[in-house]
Amino acid sequence: DAGITQSPRHKVTETGTPVTLRCHQTENHRYMYWYRQDPGHGLRLIHYSYGVKDTDKGEVSDGYSVSRSKTEDFLLTLESATSSQTSVYFCAIESRGGGTQYFGPGTRLLVL
Amino acid sequence: QQQVKQSPQSLIVQKGGISIINCAYENTAFDYFPWYQQFPGKGPALLIAIRPDVSEKKEGRFTISFNKSAKQFSLHIMDSQPGDSATYFCAASSGYSTLTFGKGTMLLVSP
Repeated sequence: DAGITQSPRHKVTETGTPVTLRCHQTENHRYMYWYRQDPGHGLRLIHYSYGVKDTDKGEVSDGYSVSRSKTEDFLLTLESATSSQTSVYFCAIESRGGGTQYFGPGTRLLVL
Repeated sequence: QQQVKQSPQSLIVQKGGISIINCAYENTAFDYFPWYQQFPGKGPALLIAIRPDVSEKKEGRFTISFNKSAKQFSLHIMDSQPGDSATYFCAASSGYSTLTFGKGTMLLVSP
């Protein structure tokens, strides 16, 4: 998986609780992305980062926040999880924008 | 809106047959068109990619055909095998922009 790990790999949580997902890379790539994957919707971009402390919103950013304090780590936080955020979350990395992205193994999140 | 429309949603092909997945885009500024393959429980992985300076790119049994005037590109899998059964995503980007993905095609190759 191109030096990308995601943690946790599986999580069950309750509505209203905060959740943080972590993406860690060993490739020193500048760009990092968070996607969610849902049946019938494909891959939708939540947030992305183009450098340490440089982030921007994607297509479905409402209810999510991100932080990147180090090149290797990109955190996705659900401040107050809702059932609509039940999904599989993928992190991706890229050396430059607009090119090939390499995906992590995913985190399966269930919000009850 | 930058969209990439992918069809069909699902596809069943017999072993040895040709699988064809199509994508259409609207943004003429797109200049990078990758295809990703995803097996159940795994993250998507780059399969093959093309830039608009060529009309076709082949890697083994996988070929991308690109039609700039029609704003369409397609993935052809020759001699499809059961091991090719997966979900395939097309995508597009321009310059340093983020990738825009199609909604995916679930391919099943029957033995």
